[in-house]
Formats: sequence, structure tokens, C-alpha cells
Amino acid sequence: AQSVAQPEDQVNVAEGNPLTVKCTYSVSGNPYLFWYVQYPNRGLQFLLKYITGDNLVKGSYGFEAEFNKSQTSFHLKKPSALVSDSALYFCAVRDKTGGGNKLTFGTGTQLKVEL
Amino acid sequence: DGGITQSPKYLFRKEGQNVTLSCEQNLNHDAMYWYRQDPGQGLRLIYYSQIVNDFQKGDIAEGYSVSREKKESFPLTVTSAQKNPTAFYLCASNLDRSSNQPQHFGDGTRLSIL
Repeated sequence: AQSVAQPEDQVNVAEGNPLTVKCTYSVSGNPYLFWYVQYPNRGLQFLLKYITGDNLVKGSYGFEAEFNKSQTSFHLKKPSALVSDSALYFCAVRDKTGGGNKLTFGTGTQLKVEL
Repeated sequence: DGGITQSPKYLFRKEGQNVTLSCEQNLNHDAMYWYRQDPGQGLRLIYYSQIVNDFQKGDIAEGYSVSREKKESFPLTVTSAQKNPTAFYLCASNLDRSSNQPQHFGDGTRLSIL
């Protein structure tokens, strides 16, 4: 079975400061990992993914994430937060060896960026 | 522009009524998914389909039904057996079952009880 944990329901950060949204995962094999963002009453938008290769993955809107196999983590980061980054963020995992391309999502982290 | 269209945006259900949520994609994707989103619970998989005329139950299929008669369409019916249908429903698609590409999402349908 595969699972994802996002330990923080909400993260608050001041505009211009770096932000981190945490994600840890559990899979039996090697993972595909994804980050999505959701604005109110909208669907999920893809930010970035880790498939293989470099542990530091760069994505949309200046976001990046670091894959850490030993800690089974895939934390989302941004060097300088913007008020417009305020949204709900989801981490998702898929086991590479599993079939059906079924994603398992975390419960989401609400990011609030304040002036 | 390629994408996923969900309709209606808002839907109200009366007691004992079945309602159908529409999901159409023009991305030529083989795989399609339905998720339910409740506050604080993330997304939970209801049903998915990897090819026309075939679909599988997800984690919370009870009280729901689907069909996949055309590649581009994957409607979800919320039946009267679903006792707590109030939620935000999201449809997604993906190129195929083995793809490492991200799922694409529609903008959702919010279902409420009258």
C-alpha cells in the first residue's frame, strides 16, 4: 500500500521569506512523486514531479522540491514567497511498480502568505 | 485549448434523487478518474477507467456509478444510496495507465443536498 503524510494543516509565512511545505511518503517500491496546487473552487494544478534522476526538482512559478530517499520525503520549497502563492497544496505518490496509475494524495497544506 | 470540462459547476440533490456529473476531455487521454474532496481529507478515489468500456472501483465507490462509452467522456452518477453526497467532485485524466505524466484536473462540481 502507498501513503502520503502532510504533517502541517497550515503554514504561515511572510512575503519575501522562504517557504517549505512538508511531505513524507510510503511505497513498497520506487516512487513517482507530485506536487499540486489548488485555488478556491478550482481543480488541482500540477506544479512539479520527481520521476528519477536529480534529487532537486524545479517546477512552475519558482517552486522546487527535494527528493530524499533515506528520509522518504519530498518537501516543497520556494526561496521567496508571494501573497499570490496562498493556496492549498497537495503532495501525491504513485508506486512505480503498481498498475493503474493510481495516485494517493496527502490531506493538503493550506499556505498563507502575509504582507 | 485541450483540457477537461466538468459540468455543472454547482448541483443540488433532493432526497432519493440520482444526479449525474459530467466530465469531458479533449486531451485524447486513455485513463480517467473521479475523486471526492472533503475538507481536511484530501482527495479520495471513487472510480477510474483505463480504457473505453472498462472501469474499476476506487477506495470509496459505494453509492456511485460510472460509465465509459466514449474515450472522451466519463460521467459519474451519485445515487440515492450515497447518504452523504455533499462534497467537491473532481474529474482527472492521464495519458495511459503506465504514464509517469501528471494527471490533469477539471475545475470540479460542488454537490449539495437540498
